[in-house]
Amino acid sequence: AQSVTQPDIHITVSEGASLELRCNYSYGATPYLFWYVQSPGQGLQLLLKYFSGDTLVQGIKGFEAEFKRSQSSFNLRKPSVHWSDAAEYFCAVGVLNDYKLSFGAGTTVTVRA
Amino acid sequence: NAGVTQTPKFRVLKTGQSMTLLCAQDMNHEYMYWYRQDPGMGLRLIHYSVGEGTTAKGEVPDGYNVSRLKKQNFLLGLESAAPSQTSVYFCASREGQGYGYTFGSGTRLTVV
Repeated sequence: AQSVTQPDIHITVSEGASLELRCNYSYGATPYLFWYVQSPGQGLQLLLKYFSGDTLVQGIKGFEAEFKRSQSSFNLRKPSVHWSDAAEYFCAVGVLNDYKLSFGAGTTVTVRA
Repeated sequence: NAGVTQTPKFRVLKTGQSMTLLCAQDMNHEYMYWYRQDPGMGLRLIHYSVGEGTTAKGEVPDGYNVSRLKKQNFLLGLESAAPSQTSVYFCASREGQGYGYTFGSGTRLTVV
């Protein structure tokens, strides 16, 4: 069965420290992948996406993600977090011939001063 | 460029009442989706549409109906609201397969 797993429900990080959020998927076909961010009370905003090509993709707000086919992972990273990065982050996966994306359960990031 | 607009933003219903949530997109996207978001449950797909006049069930369709009479609009109806339908509802659209979603800002619905 197809699935998307975000192993960490909640991560706390100090402002200025690095951040890495994990995403693993289980799909038979080659996937295309996304990371979304949701600030409190807001909708989801696209951070970055991977379809093909370079496995390291850059997104908005200083985020990047690396697709590792051998590990079925698409982890999100940021070298130095800001207080405004406190939010919930969702990984999403899709495959061709499927009309919809599958979302992970989300990881909540808390940033402490 | 408005993107995806959801109305209303907030609503309180009494058990048994009906209502319709409206989603409108101005990007000429083919696909549209309704999700609900509940604490600890992530996003769950209610219904979706791959084109004008078409709809399909998602993971949690019971108690909801949808219609896509015009390409730019996707309506979500609750015929007889129940407290279990208290949630935040998100609409999303996308251009086609291989593209990401554009989300609306959500509708917070409380059923008392």
